[in-house]
Amino acid sequence: EAGVVQSPRYKIIEKKQPVAFWCNPISGHNTLYWYLQNLGQGPELLIRYENEEAVDDSQLPKDRFSAERLKGVDSTLKIQPAELGDSAVYLCASSLGAGRETQYFGPGTRLLVL
Amino acid sequence: TQLLEQSPQFLSIQEGENLTVYCNSSSVFSSLQWYRQEPGEGPVLLVTVVTGGEVKKLKRLTFQFGDARKDSSLHITAAQPGDTGLYLCAGARGGTSYGKLTFGQGTILTVHP
Repeated sequence: EAGVVQSPRYKIIEKKQPVAFWCNPISGHNTLYWYLQNLGQGPELLIRYENEEAVDDSQLPKDRFSAERLKGVDSTLKIQPAELGDSAVYLCASSLGAGRETQYFGPGTRLLVL
Repeated sequence: TQLLEQSPQFLSIQEGENLTVYCNSSSVFSSLQWYRQEPGEGPVLLVTVVTGGEVKKLKRLTFQFGDARKDSSLHITAAQPGDTGLYLCAGARGGTSYGKLTFGQGTILTVHP
């Protein structure tokens, strides 16, 4: 069974440019998470979806970050405009849903903002 | 505010040595998970502990959940170079935060042959 798929794996952009990340969760997983991970640190939750509904976006910087999961499967995370401090790894994870706390992580997208 | 404090942050040891990584909090968690992350990859779940005082073993790895469910430890016996990686603990809470994981800052382990 395929794991969580993320693309691109690496992205280099100049500051003030927009960038988007894509995530395809494990088939049948209703819950999808986006995390930000700085170098040598643990992941920090940005947003959590239950199907197509964002149930926890309290940590998402809404002035420049947006996310969507229109059909309750794939998801995109966008940053516009990107800032130097956004350089990090953006991880996507999925789980079966309520009551199933095991999260399966994708390999992440490593973003470098110059 | 870091709810989960891991120590040490860095650990560099020789093959065959034993080590312990600690994960401490002032908060109570309904469960605690340990992950291992290799460079360029996402974290991979090693174990979930749920009951206070619970001990789980995974080959050379021993995980313990504190009696009060506020802390945990990971002990590795006879470390091997393949154990090298970032070890993360993550706590889960119930109620309205159900399903939300809070991660520690991680312990970077390097095992030298």
